[in-house]
Amino acid sequence: SQTIHQWPATLVQPVGSPLSLECTVEGTSNPNLYWYRQAAGRGLQLLFYSVGIGQISSEVPQNLSASRPQDRQFILSSKKLLLSDSGFYLCAWGLGRAISGNTIYFGEGSWLTVV
Amino acid sequence: DQQVKQNSPSLSVQEGRISILNCDYTNSMFDYFLWYKKYPAEGPTFLISISSIKDKNEDGRFTVFLNKSAKHLSLHIVPSQPGDSAVYFCAASANFGNEKLTFGTGTRLTIIP
Repeated sequence: SQTIHQWPATLVQPVGSPLSLECTVEGTSNPNLYWYRQAAGRGLQLLFYSVGIGQISSEVPQNLSASRPQDRQFILSSKKLLLSDSGFYLCAWGLGRAISGNTIYFGEGSWLTVV
Repeated sequence: DQQVKQNSPSLSVQEGRISILNCDYTNSMFDYFLWYKKYPAEGPTFLISISSIKDKNEDGRFTVFLNKSAKHLSLHIVPSQPGDSAVYFCAASANFGNEKLTFGTGTRLTIIP
């Protein structure tokens, strides 16, 4: 069966520091990968998605970036964090409409507090 | 521009009764709809979905209804149980090949014992 893991689970970072959140999927190949963010009191906002290695689409202009160095690895980064980057970050995977409908499956989430 | 809206931020229901969560959308290109359940500090878990070719889908205690003309869907939980207390997100996608989902802001459901 497929599993998804993301880490770290919680981190507190000062303003201006870098960020790296990592996500890996096991038990499948060539998944579509997603990074979402849930800010306090807000819904889930799509940040980036990837349909293959090195292919990244950005949904929201911001100081975050994403990379997909391997088929099942998705990384969210920032060179300099802002206070507004605080939130709950979620990685998700799917296999495309033809295989799994439109269902995507989420990781456990990473709490980021920028201080 | 909020394309998927959940206008009720919270809902309280007595245990054993029916819970009805509502969702409205504006994008007529959406053709697939999903409900996710989320506990605090955890990732959302998939609950139930419906394609636009149907108007109802049922899975155990959960039923989703879709009214395309009104651009409205609802999730019914019968009977409601204490473990159903969570935040419920409505999501929608358009037929562009991947599963890029647009989520609503969520409704916090509290089941009162």
